[in-house]
Amino acid sequence: QSSLTQPASVSGSPGQSITISCTGTSSDVGAYNYVSWYQQYPGKAPKLMIYDVSIRPSGVSNRFSGSKSGNAASLTISGLQAEDEADYYCSSYSSTSTPWVFGGGTKLTVL
Amino acid sequence: EVQLVESGGGLVQPGGSLRLSCAASGFTFSTFWMHWVRQAPGKGLVWVSRINTDGSTINYADSVKGRFTISRDNAKNTLYLQMNSLRVEDTAVYYCATNYYLSGTYYTTMGSWGLGTLVTVSS
Repeated sequence: QSSLTQPASVSGSPGQSITISCTGTSSDVGAYNYVSWYQQYPGKAPKLMIYDVSIRPSGVSNRFSGSKSGNAASLTISGLQAEDEADYYCSSYSSTSTPWVFGGGTKLTVL
Repeated sequence: EVQLVESGGGLVQPGGSLRLSCAASGFTFSTFWMHWVRQAPGKGLVWVSRINTDGSTINYADSVKGRFTISRDNAKNTLYLQMNSLRVEDTAVYYCATNYYLSGTYYTTMGSWGLGTLVTVSS
C-alpha cells in the first residue's frame, strides 16, 4: 500500500482543467515543502514535472501547476491536451524511516 | 546531457542474488545523491534506497532493509544495488535516479531517471 493517497483515475476533455490530489500526513506532505510530481507514459521512465510543491523544471509547460495545503498537495493541468494522457505520481520527503514516499499513481484520460 | 543506464537485471529464483549497475554520464556523478526506485508490473513507483555523494549516508525502504545494499564508485561513475535473498515481490523494473540540479543548486527531489532494468524473481 502506497504512503500517499491519490485517486486511481481522473479524466477530462481537451481544453478543460483537471486536478489530481495527493494526501499524506504531518510526517511527509504536511512537514516539508518537498512535494514532487512525475509524469510517466507506459513503458517509459518517469519525468519530473513539479518539484518543491510548485516549481516547474525548465521545459515543462506552464499548463502544469502544483500547490499544497496542510497534509494535501495537488497537481493542476489546464488546457488539457491529448499528450497529457499518462500516469501521474506525487512524492514527498518524509521524516519516517523511509525518507521518500510515493503516491499510488493516477491515470489521466483525455476524453 | 545527463544519461543513466541501468543493467544487471534478469530472471532469478527466490532466495537468489543479483547486482544492478547504473552507469552515469553527462554530469559530475560524484556531486549527486543517487536513488533506486522500483515499479512492479502494472503498479506504482516505490522508493528503494538512496546514497549521498561519498557513500557515508545511506537509507533503505523497510521492505528491503537487510537484504539490499546500495553503493557507488565515483571513479567509475557507477551506482550499484546488491540484492540478496530475493523474493517474488521484488519483481519490478528498477530505476536509478539523480537528485535534481539547476544552476548551481542541488534539489532534494529525484530529477533525472534511467530507463530501468527488469528484475524477475520466479521459480
